[in-house]
Amino acid sequence: QVQLVQSGAEGKKPGASVKVSCKASGSTFRRSEISWVRQAPGQGLEWMGWISAYSGHTDYAQKFQGRVTMTTDTSTSTAYMELRSLRSDDTAMYYCARVRVITISGVVTPYYFDYWGQGTLVTVSS
Amino acid sequence: QSALTQPASVSGSPGQSITISCIGTSSDIGSYSLVSWYQQHPGNAPKLIIYEGTKRPSGVSNRFSASKSGNTASLTISGLQAEDEADYYCCSYGTASVFGGGTKLTVL
Repeated sequence: QVQLVQSGAEGKKPGASVKVSCKASGSTFRRSEISWVRQAPGQGLEWMGWISAYSGHTDYAQKFQGRVTMTTDTSTSTAYMELRSLRSDDTAMYYCARVRVITISGVVTPYYFDYWGQGTLVTVSS
Repeated sequence: QSALTQPASVSGSPGQSITISCIGTSSDIGSYSLVSWYQQHPGNAPKLIIYEGTKRPSGVSNRFSASKSGNTASLTISGLQAEDEADYYCCSYGTASVFGGGTKLTVL
């Protein structure tokens, strides 16, 4: 069984950065891939990207390119997601999830998310 | 705008069966049997209920089943129970970075 425990809620001002952590237990973290998904209030799920804890390879959704950085620390089995230049529409619940990837035609792509963190609420307001 | 299209809402009475559709394209659902489905109760994180098209993770009720026809994937919940009231999202390889818009299931 895999457990993902995320850091607590954050309140930020527009233009600031936020860094959310996601600590894994119950599995071999260094062989895992972690994805980040956010959900604005009353809205659906939005995929932000994923990172391989093994290789450090990252793949970000185009919408967040240049504004997001995902990292991992295998010594503490923790994944991090940093989002910069925050705007009010970044107010959302941010989830980490272990993601299963598949390689088809040489391209590694996430295709399902089997374990999820409890979520971290990030509120951006002046 | 989601690349996968789901109905905004569906409803059913206890004991009935309902089906939620997820319409994609020949580049995603139509080409691969790699659709996943997630259940999300209010205030909770999403939960995987179907992966690789038709497989259920351990602990997920066999009242949940899934299928695919052409570019459309479907989630069926049989023997509807009050606890099934939740939001449901689909996701497919090919558009694995995009979820469907979500469907709110109301148990009447």
